[in-house]
Amino acid sequence: NAGVMQNPRHLVRRRGQEARLRCSPMKGHSHVYWYRQLPEEGLKFMVYLQKENIIDESGMPKERFSAEFPKEGPSILRIQQVVRGDSAAYFCASSPRAGAETQYFGPGTRLLVL
Amino acid sequence: AQSVTQPDIHITVSEGASLELRCNYSYGATPYLFWYVQSPGQGLQLLLKYFSGDTLVQGIKGFEAEFKRSQSSFNLRKPSVHWSDAAEYFCAYRPNTGNQFYFGTGTSLTVIP
Repeated sequence: NAGVMQNPRHLVRRRGQEARLRCSPMKGHSHVYWYRQLPEEGLKFMVYLQKENIIDESGMPKERFSAEFPKEGPSILRIQQVVRGDSAAYFCASSPRAGAETQYFGPGTRLLVL
Repeated sequence: AQSVTQPDIHITVSEGASLELRCNYSYGATPYLFWYVQSPGQGLQLLLKYFSGDTLVQGIKGFEAEFKRSQSSFNLRKPSVHWSDAAEYFCAYRPNTGNQFYFGTGTSLTVIP
C-alpha cells in the first residue's frame, strides 16, 4: 500500500535551468496538492489539482511556475529558469476527494539551485 | 487573516521529561487541526488530528493533543520524551471549507540524554 511518491528526492540545478518535480498520489487518490517549504519556515500551499484540472493555484508564483496533473501519469511541478530563491523542499500531498479532511504527504523533493 | 502560530522555535528537553509544544490558530470557526512530525531530510508524518468531538485526541508514538476553543489552541503533549522524538514538529489546520492546509513555522525539538 504505497504512499505518496515523489521523485527525484534531491535535485540540483544551475540558475536558468528548468526543474521538473514529479508526484504520484496514493492509490485511489485523484486530488493532489503542492507545498513549498523554504529554509527555517513551515510549508506554504502552492496549488491544488484534480486530474486534468487546476482547482486552486492561489499560492503559485505568477511567473516561471506551472503545474499539471494529466489523465495518466504523475503530477508535475515545473519551474522554469530557476533562481537561487527557488531552493526549497517541495512537498506533494494527496487526498481521495475534494474537501477530504486529511492530506497525505510525500517525502518531498529538495531542490538546490547553484 | 488565517494563520497558525507556534511560538516556540526551538525546545530542548531531557530524555524522560514531559513535553508540551504550543500551537495557536486564528480562524473564525473551528477548523480541522493536525500535528505533523518531520525528521531531518524526511517528509511529514501525521501524528494526530482533531475534527470534532472529544477535545483530547490520542496520536501515534504516545503523543496527545488538546483542543481548547476558548484559547484557540491545540497543544501537543507527551508524558515522557524519547531520544527518537528529536525532530521538527508542525501544527497545521485546514478550514472546514476550502482545500489548503495552513502550517505553523515549526518547533524544533532537541532531546538530551
